[in-house]
Amino acid sequence: EIVLTQSPATLSLSPGERVTLSCRASQTVSNYLAWFQQKPGQAPRLLIYNAYTRATGIPARFSGSGSGTDFTLTVSSLETEDFAVYYCQHRSNWPFTFGGGTKVEIK
Amino acid sequence: QVQLHESGPGLVKPSETLSLTCTVSGGSISSSYWSWIRQPPGKGLEWIGYISYSGNTNYNPSLKSRLTISVDTSYNQFSLRLSSVTAADTAVYYCATYDHSNYLAFWGQGTLVTVSS
Repeated sequence: EIVLTQSPATLSLSPGERVTLSCRASQTVSNYLAWFQQKPGQAPRLLIYNAYTRATGIPARFSGSGSGTDFTLTVSSLETEDFAVYYCQHRSNWPFTFGGGTKVEIK
Repeated sequence: QVQLHESGPGLVKPSETLSLTCTVSGGSISSSYWSWIRQPPGKGLEWIGYISYSGNTNYNPSLKSRLTISVDTSYNQFSLRLSSVTAADTAVYYCATYDHSNYLAFWGQGTLVTVSS
């Protein structure tokens, strides 16, 4: 099973700041990696797939990069609605797994 | 746009079987793959397994011995059965499916299942 490790666990930031989240895989997942955003009481929302492609309706301030084992999600300028938990997820081989999440909270 | 809705008991006794159904609307279940994901309270996400419209399944090895996922194309539904549950199976259970990206773009709202006597 491929383990995805996200860092940091929590980030405290202000609106307007730039944020970069990290996801590291225990073995290569090629570019088969997605990022999700989850707010309290809601289902996860797909943001980025195949490492860098924005999902339908996702604002351009969200961007993804990386391949192999190291990936990043960047939010260029945090909006109030971006404060949430972010998960990475791979679909390289079964079982597909999620990272432990990074919480982006308001400072 | 595909919509999914989970239904089933919110409380299950230890050692019994957890059963949930996901009803699909706005699209046909006779295509794509249909997944179950769970999230224990305050914790991360775990992919339980998935089924194709034709009935092919893939189960998380950690749950495989207790898990059955099935599909009913007549009712546009798919279902989850998890046997011999313990408190560790307490979680919000989501059903979800792919869009053109082959990633989980459509999710139900989730249903909390508590395992307790």
